[in-house]
Amino acid sequence: DTAVSQTPKYLVTQMGNDKSIKCEQNLGHDTMYWYKQDSKKFLKIMFSYNNKELIINETVPNRFSPKSPDKAHLNLHINSLELGDSAVYFCASSRQGELTGELFFGEGSRLTVL
Amino acid sequence: SQQGEEDPQALSIQEGENATMNCSYKTSINNLQWYRQNSGRGLVHLILIRSNEREKHSGRLRVTLDTSKKSSSLLITASRAADTASYFCATPSGSWGKFQFGAGTQVVVTP
Repeated sequence: DTAVSQTPKYLVTQMGNDKSIKCEQNLGHDTMYWYKQDSKKFLKIMFSYNNKELIINETVPNRFSPKSPDKAHLNLHINSLELGDSAVYFCASSRQGELTGELFFGEGSRLTVL
Repeated sequence: SQQGEEDPQALSIQEGENATMNCSYKTSINNLQWYRQNSGRGLVHLILIRSNEREKHSGRLRVTLDTSKKSSSLLITASRAADTASYFCATPSGSWGKFQFGAGTQVVVTP
């Protein structure tokens, strides 16, 4: 069973469109994250949720809106897509926000905006 | 700015050789983690070293931490082609569950 799964794996779309990426974890973790990895492989945190509550919002444009319907799911909706949004988006989870726990990552969703 | 910065950016070695990469960070930490990312895949946790530890081993991996220099190193001994991947260090940064990653070291192991 995949621990952290995200869909879709690939997403190709036009500028201005709206798209969503879904993430689910079956590890029983309380905390989930969205990270963005750019073309140079630099990984930057975007959001984290703990038990459905937004904890971290790292100065991400308002066009990005995360939603956590329950602690096992964290979705990412992106409005009015721009060329600069092209990246790989990773969902991750960890035990309740602890800074000594490991992160479990999904396989990534590669978004290409044309 | 990046909390963790890996060095070198890329490393190419032959199977059987050792691979060493370094990570420098800026602020005080209570632990540092290393992750591996295979091409087109997600990151996988390798090892965590706490601030009161100087060295830690896991299989063919050896991690050191020097808090006075704010640096860590990851050594992969007797490398294999399957070790070809990017390696990232990650440090907790500020609030709840926030980790900062560097840009990684890309390691290529040729048979």
